[in-house]
Amino acid sequence: SQQGEEDPQALSIQEGENATMNCSYKTSINNLQWYRQNSGRGLVHLILIRSNEREKHSGRLRVTLDTSKKSSSLLITASRAADTASYFCATTSGGGNKLTFGTGTQLKVEL
Amino acid sequence: DTGVSQDPRHKITKRGQNVTFRCDPISEHNRLYWYRQTLGQGPEFLTYFQNEAQLEKSRLLSDRFSAERPKGSFSTLEIQRTEQGDSAMYLCASSLVREHNEQFFGPGTRLTVL
Repeated sequence: SQQGEEDPQALSIQEGENATMNCSYKTSINNLQWYRQNSGRGLVHLILIRSNEREKHSGRLRVTLDTSKKSSSLLITASRAADTASYFCATTSGGGNKLTFGTGTQLKVEL
Repeated sequence: DTGVSQDPRHKITKRGQNVTFRCDPISEHNRLYWYRQTLGQGPEFLTYFQNEAQLEKSRLLSDRFSAERPKGSFSTLEIQRTEQGDSAMYLCASSLVREHNEQFFGPGTRLTVL
């Protein structure tokens, strides 16, 4: 079953704009990860944030985590056409190692 | 290429036939995972191995599904008596054993059951 939902389901922006995606989950977590998926490269790991962290940066990516609201956001700054893909959040919880994915956001960056 | 590889990339079969997929993880990774993804959804966990031991199976993994990792390296996922509902992308991932594990995914095997 899916851990939660992502919002929006689809997002279309112009190159150079920022894109923000949100993820909500249902249970307490160990960490939350964001993945990108496109037809050319499959699922690619972007960034991991631990449950005791609130914000993390990696290049043009900024992730926040609010465990009290059971939500996370992914910000992509200065978007590029190559950022066009589906973005998924995924969580691990308890003693398990499996990833529980959200439903994904389809991002389209237009020239 | 030292990433996770899967074979075949595409499989078309008729309902009732058996199919087998193979996954080769990154060589030093001792954890291997199988997920299934249907159109418009995120991947769903099926099962995972640590070395050759199968440590967890999802209730999604009916008795028609079996996975093995006999020597702790590559893994196979077999589906017996396929049904149209089995049509999906089957993804394999591998990782090291550590608390906050990043999983590396293969390109997937797309199964179509006619």
